[in-house]
Amino acid sequence: EPEVTQTPSHQVTQMGQEVILRCVPISNHLYFYWYRQILGQKVEFLVSFYNNEISEKSEIFDDQFSVERPDGSNFTLKIRSTKLEDSAMYFCASSDKVVRTSRTDTQYFGPGTRLTVL
Amino acid sequence: GDSVTQMEGPVTLSEEAFLTINCTYTATGYPSLFWYVQYPGEGLQLLLKATKADDKGSNKGFEATYRKETTSFHLEKGSVQVSDSAVYFCALGGSQGNLIFGKGTKLSVKP
Repeated sequence: EPEVTQTPSHQVTQMGQEVILRCVPISNHLYFYWYRQILGQKVEFLVSFYNNEISEKSEIFDDQFSVERPDGSNFTLKIRSTKLEDSAMYFCASSDKVVRTSRTDTQYFGPGTRLTVL
Repeated sequence: GDSVTQMEGPVTLSEEAFLTINCTYTATGYPSLFWYVQYPGEGLQLLLKATKADDKGSNKGFEATYRKETTSFHLEKGSVQVSDSAVYFCALGGSQGNLIFGKGTKLSVKP
């Protein structure tokens, strides 16, 4: 069964450093997402991506964050200068379509990357 | 804005007990509703979904019915197993195409 994969599984970095989290979505999917889950809190939407550009983003997704699909398979999240509060589990997800009129189709999640900022 | 509220955990049950995890939502329009499950050390997996009022989603013995009149999508299972121990997340499809999650309910099933 196709699945979303993410690397690394755990990333430790120093405050102020840049990190890149990598995801390989399911191959025939067109919509890609990043979410994060701070320990003990809700899973929060960061950004969605379609047709090589950002579709939607939340207030969390500020100028420190960027996303890219550098080739036909990878989807990356970059944090330019990490802060302590960026420590969280980051989930990538993909779906093959988004149904309009306020309906969202199923999103398939990767196992997550745990980011620890020291 | 759109939001999801689910019952606080943790929930501890004995094997073969009946499970209910309550979930209510606030949304404009008629969003799709989902239950995701997160087993220890793993990512989020779709458990079931419903896309319109009165739809019942079901999978692995779990069920949830989309109740528009009570804006609810409660998760139920008639007889839980130890292997069902996990964190369960209720979610709705937001107008941006994203998912809006509840806080999650941790279920522990004892043998």
